[in-house]
Formats: sequence, C-alpha cells, structure tokens
Amino acid sequence: RKEVEQDPGPFNVPEGATVAFNCTYSNSASQSFFWYRQDCRKEPKLLMSVYSSGNEDGRFTAQLNRASQYISLLIRDSKLSDSATYLCVVISFQKLVFGTGTRLLVSP
Amino acid sequence: GAVVSQHPSWVICKSGTSVKIECRSLDFQATTMFWYRQFPKQSLMLMATSNEGSKATYEQGVEKDKFLINHASLTLSTLTVTSAHPEDSSFYICSANQAGGPLAEQFFGPGTRLTVL
Repeated sequence: RKEVEQDPGPFNVPEGATVAFNCTYSNSASQSFFWYRQDCRKEPKLLMSVYSSGNEDGRFTAQLNRASQYISLLIRDSKLSDSATYLCVVISFQKLVFGTGTRLLVSP
Repeated sequence: GAVVSQHPSWVICKSGTSVKIECRSLDFQATTMFWYRQFPKQSLMLMATSNEGSKATYEQGVEKDKFLINHASLTLSTLTVTSAHPEDSSFYICSANQAGGPLAEQFFGPGTRLTVL
C-alpha cells in the first residue's frame, strides 16, 4: 500500500465549477500535511498547509480528518489557470512523502 | 522568497556516461538539501538527504555508488548519476532547507530532465 494515495484523475470540470480532491495517508503518526501544485514538467509549489481545524485561502479550502487519515482540497469557482496536478504531501518519518497527484483540467 | 536553481535544466546523454546535476541556493544558506526523482505519472520520490559537510543519507533502494552526492558548501549540492542507463531517465528535483528552518519549508529547484539514450 502506498503511504499517500490519491485518485490520479483527470478531473475535467468547466470554469466556475467546484471540485474536490481527496487523499489518504497510512502513517497515523504523521504530523504535517500540505497540498502542492505541480504544472507539467515543472517543480512542485506549495499551495497550502492543512490544519486539523480546516483552513481556507481564497477559493481553496483544505480539511484534515486525523481519525480517518484523510485530507481534502476544495476549489471553488475554478479558473482555467487552476489546471494542474495537485499533490497531497505528508511529513512522515522526517521526510516529505508525496502522493502521485490528482490532475485537474478546467475547460472554458 | 528563497530561490533554488538547478543546472542543467535538461540533459541528453548516451548510455554509460556520467551526468552531474548542480543544485544551488541563491540567496540563503542551505544546511540540508534533498534530491528527488519523478518518473512519468508517478510521485516525487526522495532519493537522498544531503547535509553540508557530511555524507548523504540515502533512501532504501537508492544505490549510493550510482548516485553520488556532494554537499561541499552551504549553497551547493551536486548529484552525479554514474554510468547512466535508459532506466535512469527521469525528472530530478532538488530542494533546500534554510539553516534552522522547518522540514516543511523546502524550496524546490526547477528540476533537471535527464534522458539517457
């Protein structure tokens, strides 16, 4: 079983739609959680950290459920520029562990 | 924000040759640098953690004699892929931590795409 699992997608949505991605992790001792964005053939860039209380940054909302070992990312009012791969990342055993990512395609 | 550069951005080489990739922190001192590898449609996988002035720590399954890492200064780490073969073709990305910074605060380089013919 992979340490961080994500649905690879792609998720095809029209502009303005709301879309949600999920991620599960296997190490219950993991302490820190993040969502990164990766554009094609580029390095990953930190999108936001994920806190137990849930957190919001503009159109993006992240949630963490420690009991279920589950992380989510909600994107509201999707823009064409949101098209990318979204990586779920967990700090486990003192290193960043990346999921394979979920690909999002936003169309006009 | 902190900037990390990598050189070269892409390289094509013949099987059996060695390739050196440089990772530099441009405006901060990086006591720790990390080397990742990403195959198509797969996740970034940590290869090794490199601390300035000491030997790198390699992840399970990564051959230390094949992937030589040198972190001789606080702003430069190099990864040398020795006797590269087609299966080593991948996207290699480095990241760096500022001295005293949290593990979560890694600044990523733009990556190096290696193609071995």
